[in-house]
Amino acid sequence: GQQVMQIPQYQHVQEGEDFTTYCNSSTTLSNIQWYKQRPGGHPVFLIQLVKSGEVKKQKRLTFQFGEAKKNSSLHITATQTTDVGTYFCAGRRGSARQLTFGSGTQLTVLP
Amino acid sequence: EAGVAQSPRYKIIEKRQSVAFWCNPISGHATLYWYQQILGQGPKLLIQFQNNGVVDDSQLPKDRFSAERLKGVDSTLKIQPAKLEDSAVYLCASSLTGQGGEKLFFGSGTQLSVL
Repeated sequence: GQQVMQIPQYQHVQEGEDFTTYCNSSTTLSNIQWYKQRPGGHPVFLIQLVKSGEVKKQKRLTFQFGEAKKNSSLHITATQTTDVGTYFCAGRRGSARQLTFGSGTQLTVLP
Repeated sequence: EAGVAQSPRYKIIEKRQSVAFWCNPISGHATLYWYQQILGQGPKLLIQFQNNGVVDDSQLPKDRFSAERLKGVDSTLKIQPAKLEDSAVYLCASSLTGQGGEKLFFGSGTQLSVL
């Protein structure tokens, strides 16, 4: 079955440092979504990428979709304490309706 | 706009007991999902409904888990009998049509502890 892996599993950064999480799929994806889950909270949608090589930005967050549509990354510039949480990628294969979530990267930002 | 409602928020049971969770999706959303999230892992899809029909239940342990969505609105997920490994957060989510590319709206989840 489809597998979506994320690295690293944990990341501790000082406030102001940058952060990147990587997502890799065993199969080509039709689209990929990113979600953020605050401690004790539920996943909240951040963005969706559809096109090969697509890059989207949301303020300090930059999302990329690989050329082969099998990997993606989320980069946060100058982290803030409000960025704390677990970031999940989730991908769909072809016309499949099922969204497969990665294992997540838990970000801790030290003040 | 009201979000996805779930209850109860927490549940503690002993193994071999039964438990039920309830979910009310966002009004007008045709697709409803139940996910299981074990501590430290990503959400795993258990079952997906389109209106009141099942679209995908390939990862639902059907010997002990059951779910229904009567009338295509709210839904219940039941576990009978529960096992220790069922301890997890059960997340309900909904989306407007279920078409590929839609974002999911999640409820706050039910945290289940099986002792």
